[in-house]
Amino acid sequence: DGGITQSPKYLFRKEGQNVTLSCEQNLNHDAMYWYRQDPGQGLRLIYYSQIVNDFQKGDIAEGYSVSREKKESFPLTVTSAQKNPTAFYLCASNSRVATDTQYFGPGTRLTVL
Amino acid sequence: GQSLEQPSEVTAVEGAIVQINCTYQTSGFYGLSWYQQHDGGAPTFLSYNALDGLEETGRFSSFLSRSDSYGYLLLQELQMKDSASYFCAVRGNSGNTPLVFGKGTRLSVIA
Repeated sequence: DGGITQSPKYLFRKEGQNVTLSCEQNLNHDAMYWYRQDPGQGLRLIYYSQIVNDFQKGDIAEGYSVSREKKESFPLTVTSAQKNPTAFYLCASNSRVATDTQYFGPGTRLTVL
Repeated sequence: GQSLEQPSEVTAVEGAIVQINCTYQTSGFYGLSWYQQHDGGAPTFLSYNALDGLEETGRFSSFLSRSDSYGYLLLQELQMKDSASYFCAVRGNSGNTPLVFGKGTRLSVIA
């Protein structure tokens, strides 16, 4: 089955620790995205990548980092510099950025204690 | 930049019709999309309007008026499973920028 996987579903970390969220897709999509969602809020773009080895900052990139070494994978690292990291993180992909249909993974709920 | 406004909450009765409005501001327009998200789940694509008018897909329809920078999602024959959050989204200012999402409308369907 084609799709996007994110693991784990729930993640707990201590304050001050970096944590990496994984996102893998087997849809052969070039473009991948990371969004953050807080209660009652929409989806805010953290980073996106249009092709391998290239990525751009979104609206709330501070305190986050990404890499895109393989087409299928777009991991997100939440660093200790992120002031309020507790949130629901969603990964998405589509064939290219100039396409309006995005496909989302199941999300990772990160709680920093 | 871009901004989208939609009501935060809507409540409707099972079997009824509900309309969720979305107004947007963007310097370049490439269409209005709608996504559905159940609690704890992933958003899923519902519909897309690039031109003025109504697009129908089963019980769901979406409308766009580019001159009014306005669109809506119409849900008919509401079912309990339609209780979810609904997001409108537009592409960024150029054709090659990602979607910008509204804050979402939480629809509660009651018996």
